[in-house]
Amino acid sequence: NAGVTQTPKFRVLKTGQSMTLLCAQDMNHEYMYWYRQDPGMGLRLIHYSVGEGTTAKGEVPDGYNVSRLKKQNFLLGLESAAPSQTSVYFCASSSYFRQRFSGNTIYFGEGSWLTVV
Amino acid sequence: AQKVTQAQTEISVVEKEDVTLDCVYETRDTTYYLFWYKQPPSGELVFLIRRNSFDEQNEISGRYSWNFQKSTSSFNFTITASQVVDSAVYFCALSEGGSGNTGKLIFGQGTTLQVKP
Repeated sequence: NAGVTQTPKFRVLKTGQSMTLLCAQDMNHEYMYWYRQDPGMGLRLIHYSVGEGTTAKGEVPDGYNVSRLKKQNFLLGLESAAPSQTSVYFCASSSYFRQRFSGNTIYFGEGSWLTVV
Repeated sequence: AQKVTQAQTEISVVEKEDVTLDCVYETRDTTYYLFWYKQPPSGELVFLIRRNSFDEQNEISGRYSWNFQKSTSSFNFTITASQVVDSAVYFCALSEGGSGNTGKLIFGQGTTLQVKP
């Protein structure tokens, strides 16, 4: 089972370059998320999506754009990379449980290490 | 606003010692979910437990146990008879609940646990 797959896993960018991180899930999940992990700060939500064609801002959205054209894919774009965007990026997905207290099971990808020089 | 605090940045123990990782949270929601994740040196996030706000029963899973106390807004994690393989970063996280639940997670800063042989 693939689960949540992120590509690429490692990337080095020069300041000002652009790139796209791809997240793909094969569990037919409605919700998808992008987090970044920085030392001493845990993981912080960048953007998320509650369904195909929808996106919303999280805690740290500046400098990033996202798109969810297909339900199984969630793309994170950096239009003009900055050294402050050097981080580990995690994608996650979850389903919506209609039972009130059952909550969401959240699945994470393996992470993408991005360095901006 | 929601917040998760893991006051212990780093903990070092000797193998076979018991260790407790603290987690304190803040939320105005009456329905919410608490999580613990493990991040081993390989970098992936491993789900350990999810607890909803209406279930204050403590849980034990092998050498792991969790103590959820709403009165003190804490969700502490204890490893009994620690092993070297327990060395990792551990994250506590909080998710809103109720009908508007989107599965967004608020993470604590993480606690790095080092278990020495």
